[in-house]
Amino acid sequence: GEDVEQSLFLSVREGDSSVINCTYTDSSSTYLYWYKQEPGAGLQLLTYIFSNMDMKQDQRLTVLLNKKDKHLSLRIADTQTGDSAIYFCAEGPRGRSNSGYALNFGKGTSLLVTP
Amino acid sequence: DVKVTQSSRYLVKRTGEKVFLECVQDMDHENMFWYRQDPGLGLRLIYFSYDVKMKEKGDIPEGYSVSREKKERFSLILESASTNQTSMYLCASSRTGTDTQYFGPGTRLTVL
Repeated sequence: GEDVEQSLFLSVREGDSSVINCTYTDSSSTYLYWYKQEPGAGLQLLTYIFSNMDMKQDQRLTVLLNKKDKHLSLRIADTQTGDSAIYFCAEGPRGRSNSGYALNFGKGTSLLVTP
Repeated sequence: DVKVTQSSRYLVKRTGEKVFLECVQDMDHENMFWYRQDPGLGLRLIYFSYDVKMKEKGDIPEGYSVSREKKERFSLILESASTNQTSMYLCASSRTGTDTQYFGPGTRLTVL
């Protein structure tokens, strides 16, 4: 499949803003997603953006999409220690044999929030 | 709320054993997916199903098979478990092909 790239680690201080970046390659993606994974848990959908939008805000979360550069970012305002987790960027859906869909995931960014 | 459940959180099996991982969703979703997650490799799609009894291979189907006899249940089968199948297995479902995927809590499988 196409590649989705993310930086592996990010460390911020509590109360600061965090920005997690992602680049993707499939310009036909309909949606772009951010998932959060806490230790030992499954993936929790945080937010998503439709490919014809350039920004979406949801409480402390702001998603920016630059479709020309195929760049997606997630900004977390007033980051808390409870935000420490792995954040996955995903694009999709990608069709297979005209039926069924899956997402392409990045490898995840580990966010560490220090007091 | 969408709920996707997986039969076990942790599982330990021996090499050569047949292993069944079960996933159930309660939202009448058409699509169901099995991924495995490994450090440094992210999530990789093993198999997915877009309807009862229908399945398609993902990126890494070798050593796995699946079964979907009922719409709400999607099973991943390791016919003869091997140590390189030690991993975190994540199930997901979506209402239609273009809808958001919702994930279960994962099963951490160790093959000794």
